[in-house]
Amino acid sequence: DVKVTQSSRYLVKRTGEKVFLECVQDMDHENMFWYRQDPGLGLRLIYFSYDVKMKEKGDIPEGYSVSREKKERFSLILESASTNQTSMYLCAISGRADTQYFGPGTRLTVL
Amino acid sequence: AQSVSQHNHHVILSEAASLELGCNYSYGGTVNLFWYVQYPGQHLQLLLKYFSGDPLVKGIKGFEAEFIKSKFSFNLRKPSVQWSDTAEYFCAVNARGQNFVFGPGTRLSVLP
Repeated sequence: DVKVTQSSRYLVKRTGEKVFLECVQDMDHENMFWYRQDPGLGLRLIYFSYDVKMKEKGDIPEGYSVSREKKERFSLILESASTNQTSMYLCAISGRADTQYFGPGTRLTVL
Repeated sequence: AQSVSQHNHHVILSEAASLELGCNYSYGGTVNLFWYVQYPGQHLQLLLKYFSGDPLVKGIKGFEAEFIKSKFSFNLRKPSVQWSDTAEYFCAVNARGQNFVFGPGTRLSVLP
């Protein structure tokens, strides 16, 4: 079974705080992705990575950065959290078969 | 750029009713197509996928989808829904060498 874990299920932060969301996989897949999920908008891609130390911007990278120091770990960073970043954040992985597998999500609330 | 549309935001059915959720995409080239499901409080799970071959694809839990290339559609069907099918359903498209694009989702409520 594919296993993708995310560091927290629920997180509450204050405006201006630095926030780290972590994703860990146990499948040795090259590709890792961060999405945010908002009602009526589906999933939107924030950043992705095809290899260690490699990162690419997705459709909505503003206000976010990422880090991939090890193959199994992909972190999403909110440098200075804002209320419009309140959302559900989903990590996904994929191998060569192009199918994406998702973690349980982190529901982030920024006050 | 690719885009994916789903016909309904919210569908309400009674148990045993038949289900069809529409999905259309805009991309002229070869695509991979997916349906994902998110049950309340759970993570997104793959329901079924189409890469090539038979355009009628069978997935888990009795779901199937039909790829109609001429209509750029990949509609999800189930002959008889159950209360446990209550969930949000997402259609997704992945063109070769490009990222996934997800539709906005359709919320399905099945009344017992």
